[in-house]
Amino acid sequence: AQKVTQAQTEISVVEKEDVTLDCVYETRDTTYYLFWYKQPPSGELVFLIRRNSFDEQNEISGRYSWNFQKSTSSFNFTITASQVVDSAVYFCALSEANRDDKIIFGKGTRLHILP
Amino acid sequence: DSGVTQTPKHLITATGQRVTLRCSPRSGDLSVYWYQQSLDQGLQFLIQYYNGEERAKGNILERFSAQQFPDLHSELNLSSLELGDSALYFCASSKGLAGGRYEQYFGPGTRLTVT
Repeated sequence: AQKVTQAQTEISVVEKEDVTLDCVYETRDTTYYLFWYKQPPSGELVFLIRRNSFDEQNEISGRYSWNFQKSTSSFNFTITASQVVDSAVYFCALSEANRDDKIIFGKGTRLHILP
Repeated sequence: DSGVTQTPKHLITATGQRVTLRCSPRSGDLSVYWYQQSLDQGLQFLIQYYNGEERAKGNILERFSAQQFPDLHSELNLSSLELGDSALYFCASSKGLAGGRYEQYFGPGTRLTVT
């Protein structure tokens, strides 16, 4: 069955610290897609990244980086030199290519960046 | 701005009532998805339409129904409302059917409060 686990419910760090948000997934499919979304206090869901299961290359986008490891079924997200504007709830999500298009979301990690 | 619009932004209604939430997808997107975000259940997939036809169903109650019109906008109808239906309802759209190959872009959501 599909499942996404974000074990960290809430994290607080001081501005400029690096922080890693953990994501572990379960799927029986060999082809699947992983996502991260950001939900700032305003409430909208902002797409951050999508990876397919065949591409294990790590990705970096500015201060954001993602580490995908199939061996441990993890897709972790690191924010380098965090800023107050990074404060939000971050969701990891999974979609299985051979099924319908629904996205299964984790429960989210609430990140507080303290000034 | 994701390009997905949802109306209304807020809705307050009483138990037993019926409401309609509206979503307009991004230009060119054929798939529309509905999600419910509540404190206890998190973000849950409700239903997906593709080019006017129902494509996938998730945890959608029988009291809820949706449709997608020829102009591709979609409506989510919630009837016999209960207090537990209070939630943030998101609409998302994507280019097509691809099991996650295309990212889903989310609208700003409709916050429903049932009193």
